[in-house]
This record gives sequence, C-alpha cells and structure tokens, in this order.
Amino acid sequence: QLLLQESGPGLVKPSETLSLSCTVSGGSISTTGSHWGWIRQPPGKGLEWIGIIYYSGYTYYNPSLKSRITLSVDTSKNQFSLKLSSVTAADMGTYYCTRRPNTGGYGWYFDLWGRGTLVTVSS
Amino acid sequence: QSALTQPASVSGSPGQSITISCAGTSSDVGSYNLVSWYQQHPGEAPKLMIYEVNKRPSGVSNRFSGSKSGSTASLTISGLQAEDEADYYCSSYADSKTVLFGGGTTLTVL
Repeated sequence: QLLLQESGPGLVKPSETLSLSCTVSGGSISTTGSHWGWIRQPPGKGLEWIGIIYYSGYTYYNPSLKSRITLSVDTSKNQFSLKLSSVTAADMGTYYCTRRPNTGGYGWYFDLWGRGTLVTVSS
Repeated sequence: QSALTQPASVSGSPGQSITISCAGTSSDVGSYNLVSWYQQHPGEAPKLMIYEVNKRPSGVSNRFSGSKSGSTASLTISGLQAEDEADYYCSSYADSKTVLFGGGTTLTVL
C-alpha cells in the first residue's frame, strides 16, 4: 500500500523560503507513472492546488503561485519536495502531499494524500 | 482563474438525499469531464469520493454519485448517514493545465 508522509519545519519566518518534503513508501516514485504534488489549506478555509511533478522533473504549477514555487524529485530517496519563496501570513496552513495517479494523461484528480503538515509563518 | 462556487452549507436528515452543487465556467467544468469530489472530516486529510464527474474509486459507497450539466457539477449523497457529516470539495481541471477547487460545503446530518 502506497503511503505519503510530509516532513519539514512547522515554522517559517516572513520573507523566507518554506521547504517541505514528501516521502513515498510502499512503491517507487519513478515506476508508477504517477504525478506527485502539493495542495494546501489555510486554517478554516478551502483547498488550493499548488502544483505537480513527474519523476522525470516535468512540472505543472498553479499560475498564481508559479513565480514562487519550485518542485523537485529525488528518486534515490523516493521523495519529492516543495519550495515556496518569500512567504507571508497568507501562506500559512496545512500542506498536503498528494498523488495524481497514472491515467494515461487524462484524469486530473488526487487519490492519495499525506496526513498533512501545518506550517506557521511568524517572526 | 477563480475558485469554483459551492454552497457554504447543506443539511439533511438520516436516510434522506442531498445534492451539493459546484458551479464553474466554460474554462473548467463546462469544458472538461474532469470534475472530482473530496470528503474531509475534521482534522483529517481529504478523501477522493468521485472522479471524472461520476466515477467512484474502489471502496467508496455507491450512495455517492456525481453528475454534470453544462458548467455545473453536482454530488448527490443518498441514504444519508451520520458518518457522511463532513466538508465536501469539488475540483476541476481548467485551461492551461491547472486545477481549481471549490470553496467547500459543510454537510450537517440533522
């Protein structure tokens, strides 16, 4: 059974870079044909898609965040990562790592989710 | 792109059916059969309930069904049960390879 687990600092200072990783267990990040990504949720609010990455490095980003996002994959660690630069209070919330399954390029949905990690932005 | 539009709350009694709407535009829901629905209980991660408008993942009850008409998608839950009380989010693929979510709907089982 494939599992996703987020990790990273729970506290980031304003204007600094938020860095999170997601470890995939129970299967290889590079052989499933899936895309791996991030979705966030401000406290008490709705979901916002951040972006996804294929194991080869090909990415799709939310246009509203594109200038501040970097997604990467480390196949040797079976991990993928998110960097979000110049954070503000608006970037606070729970960050989920997710999987877009291998649908032959058609489906755009997320069938696996990590438990989420809460990120606070404060000096 | 703007978020998809959902009602803030819906309610129903056990055994009844409810429908949650998700209004989009011709750039997202109206153009693609790529609407999905997620259920989120407090303190938990979202769970995929419906994908590609009306398909159910393995293990999801057949009390959950999805549909679409024009630029509005809908999630129907029949035979309401107490465990269905949760937040529900719709999502759609949109132009330029992006994904939109609705603002979420809180379902209360009376």
